[in-house]
Amino acid sequence: GQQLNQSPQSMFIQEGEDVSMNCTSSSIFNTWLWYKQDPGEGPVLLIALYKAGELTSNGRLTAQFGITRKDSFLNISASIPSDVGIYFCAGPAAGTASKLTFGTGTRLQVTL
Amino acid sequence: GAVVSQHPSRVICKSGTSVKIECRSLDFQATTMFWYRQFPKKSLMLMATSNEGSKATYEQGVEKDKFLINHASLTLSTLTVTSAHPEDSSFYICSAMKAGTVIDTQYFGPGTRLTVL
Repeated sequence: GQQLNQSPQSMFIQEGEDVSMNCTSSSIFNTWLWYKQDPGEGPVLLIALYKAGELTSNGRLTAQFGITRKDSFLNISASIPSDVGIYFCAGPAAGTASKLTFGTGTRLQVTL
Repeated sequence: GAVVSQHPSRVICKSGTSVKIECRSLDFQATTMFWYRQFPKKSLMLMATSNEGSKATYEQGVEKDKFLINHASLTLSTLTVTSAHPEDSSFYICSAMKAGTVIDTQYFGPGTRLTVL
């Protein structure tokens, strides 16, 4: 089945640093979604990407849809303590328009 | 914004009992709701798709007789874990999709943590 692998698995950074993470797939995706999950909560959508090469920002977050359509990247600039959480990429499961396949997640810890 | 609630937020039950979890879309109608399961430090795994007025469709490996899903109205879906066992302990998350929209309008509930003793 489809697998979305995220890298790194976890990261510890200092407040103010920029963060980069990526998501790779064994198959082509037509939509990439990036979510953040706070501890004990459901995921919240951060950015949606629909076109290969697309670069979209949401405040300090910027995400890119890879031109091969098999990867996507999320960058966070000038991290702050509330950026702590798990970041998931997701995309439509093969052969469906509404079911989501989630990536393995990147756990972010921000130290002061 | 669209709000999805889940009740209860936490539940502890004895092995062998059944537990019902509710998922409600508070300010929109959801023809489709999804149920996910998340183990500690793991990703969300889709369990089933719940469509209003019809039978749920389950992902491969998910026992439909153990995880009963009912989507009786456009704002409510329920997941009942029947004869729960310790291995069913997990974080269960629902999402709801607005009627007539695309995949990025799936809104997630806050989750229900189930602990089976």
